[in-house]
Amino acid sequence: KAGVTQTPRYLIKTRGQQVTLSCSPISGHRSVSWYQQTPGQGLQFLFEYFSETQRNKGNFPGRFSGRQFSNSRSEMNVSTLELGDSALYLCASSLFLRDEKLFFGSGTQLSVL
Amino acid sequence: AQKITQTQPGMFVQEKEAVTLDCTYDTSDPSYGLFWYKQPSSGEMIFLIYQGSYDQQNATEGRYSLNFQKARKSANLVISASQLGDSAMYFCAMREGRGGGADGLTFGKGTHLIIQP
Repeated sequence: KAGVTQTPRYLIKTRGQQVTLSCSPISGHRSVSWYQQTPGQGLQFLFEYFSETQRNKGNFPGRFSGRQFSNSRSEMNVSTLELGDSALYLCASSLFLRDEKLFFGSGTQLSVL
Repeated sequence: AQKITQTQPGMFVQEKEAVTLDCTYDTSDPSYGLFWYKQPSSGEMIFLIYQGSYDQQNATEGRYSLNFQKARKSANLVISASQLGDSAMYFCAMREGRGGGADGLTFGKGTHLIIQP
C-alpha cells in the first residue's frame, strides 16, 4: 500500500511569489492535515480537511490556504511568500477525522530566497 | 505556556540499552490524546504509539511503550533494547478535545536520540 506522497520534494522560490504543494493520502484515507516545521518554531498545525471541507485551521495568516478534492488529494497554497515561510511542509493522512493514527509524508522542503 | 514539554534536547544511549524519553503536557481538557512520533533524517514522521486520556492501561507497540502518569501529566516513551536504527528525532504530541470539530496536534520541540554501538 503506497504511503502519503508529497510533491515536489524540494522547492525554491523568491519573496513575493506564490507556491502550491500537493499531497496524495494513503488510499482510503479521507482526512488530510498539513503541518509546518521550522527550526525556530518546531512543528505547527496549519489546517485539516475531511470530505473536501476544512475542519480546523491553525494560527497562520490568510496567505496560507488549502483545499481537498473529491479523491481526498489535497493542495496547500502560500501566496506572497516571505523569507520566514522557508520550512518543511508535512502532510498527514488518516482514515477518519481525529483518527489515532496519522501517517505522514516525507514533506516538501520550501526555501524562499 | 508550553502545552508539550520535552526537556531532553539530545540523548546518547548505548545500543541494546533501554531508553526513556520524557514528555510532560499541559491541558485542562479531560479528553485528550497523546502521541509519539519518530523523525529520521529523511524527514518523514513515523507514528510510534498513542495513548488516550481515558485509557486505563499504558499503551504498548512492540519495543515501544508509553508510561502514562495522568496525575503528573507525563507521557514518557520507553524504547526497550535500543537499536542503531532508533537514532532519530522523537516528538511528543497532544490532541485536545472531543466532538465533531477537528483539532490539530500540538508538538513538543523534540529529543534527538543517538544510539551508539
